[in-house]
Amino acid sequence: SAVISQKPSRDICQRGTSLTIQCQVDSQVTMMFWYRQQPGQSLTLIATANQGSEATYESGFVIDKFPISRPNLTFSTLTVSNMSPEDSSIYLCSVTGGARDTQYFGPGTRLTVL
Amino acid sequence: GDSVTQMEGPVTLSEEAFLTINCTYTATGYPSLFWYVQYPGEGLQLLLKATKADDKGSNKGFEATYRKETTSFHLEKGSVQVSDSAVYFCALRSVSGNTPLVFGKGTRLSVIA
Repeated sequence: SAVISQKPSRDICQRGTSLTIQCQVDSQVTMMFWYRQQPGQSLTLIATANQGSEATYESGFVIDKFPISRPNLTFSTLTVSNMSPEDSSIYLCSVTGGARDTQYFGPGTRLTVL
Repeated sequence: GDSVTQMEGPVTLSEEAFLTINCTYTATGYPSLFWYVQYPGEGLQLLLKATKADDKGSNKGFEATYRKETTSFHLEKGSVQVSDSAVYFCALRSVSGNTPLVFGKGTRLSVIA
């Protein structure tokens, strides 16, 4: 299995500012995924981050708003830029590993934008 | 594209009642199917999975059978406990390997003593 940690666990931010969320995995993984879970909603994939290449964004998400870094095989960051209250969500980092098809999730970063 | 449809919640049951949460899917090929659980204030955890037709996943008294003919993966438990109160997500992956899961909207379960 993979153990994933995220920082910060929660934050309250002002409109117009940016927040960078860190994701650390205890083993090397090829792909890392970033999801958003809006209040009372399901998980929506933001982007897939492959080490050494540009992240691939899902429809409705753009690099200028959610820049992602993937400097090595155990670490990634997601930045939420120019935040608005609509960005208030839980942001989750995820990887596949271990038993085939198993996907593991970090504890999430709960973001509130005022 | 691939999608997962879950029964809408919230679901409220008394302790020891029988639980069914319906899940159907649309996918190309033969997806792997999953149930994840999110307990209050905690992260998402894998509950069970099935990777081919007629497989039954089970864990902690929960079961789900991969039904290809009805494209379903309903979650069941014979006798729920208060500690089962959580949000349950059905999910699929249509291609094995490093591809992300597609999630249903989640079903909130509340079990009362």
